[in-house]
Amino acid sequence: EAQVTQNPRYLITVTGKKLTVTCSQNMNHEYMSWYRQDPGLGLRQIYYSMNVEVTDKGDVPEGYKVSRKEKRNFPLILESPSPNQTSLYFCASSWTSGNQETQYFGPGTRLLVL
Amino acid sequence: AQKITQTQPGMFVQEKEAVTLDCTYDTSDQSYGLFWYKQPSSGEMIFLIYQGSYDEQNATEGRYSLNFQKARKSANLVISASQLGDSAMYFCAMREPGGGADGLTFGKGTHLIIQP
Repeated sequence: EAQVTQNPRYLITVTGKKLTVTCSQNMNHEYMSWYRQDPGLGLRQIYYSMNVEVTDKGDVPEGYKVSRKEKRNFPLILESPSPNQTSLYFCASSWTSGNQETQYFGPGTRLLVL
Repeated sequence: AQKITQTQPGMFVQEKEAVTLDCTYDTSDQSYGLFWYKQPSSGEMIFLIYQGSYDEQNATEGRYSLNFQKARKSANLVISASQLGDSAMYFCAMREPGGGADGLTFGKGTHLIIQP
């Protein structure tokens, strides 16, 4: 089954404690990205990756890092989380074929930073 | 300026009726893509339908169709024969080329509630 998986699904942590949210896709997509969703602000892109070892900032990259060492995985790293990073996080991967394209989202990770 | 505008924050619809969710977009590019996603209360983002800017025919996927009016920059989602399980948030999104991001810009969403 084609899917994007994220772990953990729920996480409560404290300010300053480094954490990593993993993302994996089994569709051999080249393009992957991270979004965060906040009430009143909608979904905003954090980072994206066009392919292995190619990453770039989205709209709200501050406080986040990513890596893309292999095609299927795109972890999101919070080196020193702060309460304003409490949010719902989505990983996505996408493909384009001719006139058709889509972006599949993972199930989301709810993060609470105390 | 907002790139994606969804003017209906919330809608109540009777079960089995058709529903139209509005979406207008703003872009100066000729090549772009429009997406609709469903987000139930459980939180996941479910891809529904895609329309490319060069597609002359309206996209359809089962009970979902996209009423694409390019000149008006409108991409309304139509759900035929609504069901209770259609109750959710619905997001319209656009992908523009260039800028390197290829990411999606989302509207604020419409909260659809289907009543029995």
